Amino acid sequence: AQSVAQPEDQVNVAEGNPLTVKCTYSVSGNPYLFWYVQYPNRGLQFLLKYITGDNLVKGSYGFEAEFNKSQTSFHLKKPSALVSDSALYFCAVRDLRRGGGFKTIFGAGTRLFVKA
Amino acid sequence: GAGVSQSPSNKVTEKGKDVELRCDPISGHTALYWYRQSLGQGLEFLIYFQGNSAPDKSGLPSDRFSAERTGGSVSTLTIQRTQQEDSAVYLCASSIQGAPNTGELFFGEGSRLTVL
Repeated sequence: AQSVAQPEDQVNVAEGNPLTVKCTYSVSGNPYLFWYVQYPNRGLQFLLKYITGDNLVKGSYGFEAEFNKSQTSFHLKKPSALVSDSALYFCAVRDLRRGGGFKTIFGAGTRLFVKA
Repeated sequence: GAGVSQSPSNKVTEKGKDVELRCDPISGHTALYWYRQSLGQGLEFLIYFQGNSAPDKSGLPSDRFSAERTGGSVSTLTIQRTQQEDSAVYLCASSIQGAPNTGELFFGEGSRLTVL
């Protein structure tokens, strides 16, 4: 079955330090992978996606993610964290199975706290 | 409209009452999703509409929940005989489906339902 796992409920990092938010997935076939962010009291926003090609994808607000097929991972990264990056981050996978209907499944979310 | 519009933004109801939540997707988006997000938690898939295909209702938690999409545009999520555990934020999202589009989701601000 299609699934997405975010093993960390919370990640704490100091401002200026690099951050990583982890995501692993389980799919049939080639995955479409996404990261979304939810800032406090706001709706979810698309950050970046991996469809095919270069394993390192770049997105909004300086974020990037690395697709690793052998480890079935799609970790979100940023070289230098900002306090304003504090938010709830969701990894998602799109179901491309025959009959799957292209449904998008989300992980449980990881709360990122960046301390000044 | 420019974005996904949901109404009402807030709804307080008494246990046992029926509620209707409305979603107006981005014009031209053929796919429409409903998700549920309990306080600070992940996104629970509820239902997915894609064009004229039969909807994927696999995420609806009980037969008290139903949804329809009229004319391939506006969708209504109905919860009958509401229970306190139905209290959550109900999120609607739309996307363009089919190659070459890769189906990232555009979310509304959500409808916060509180069942007393």
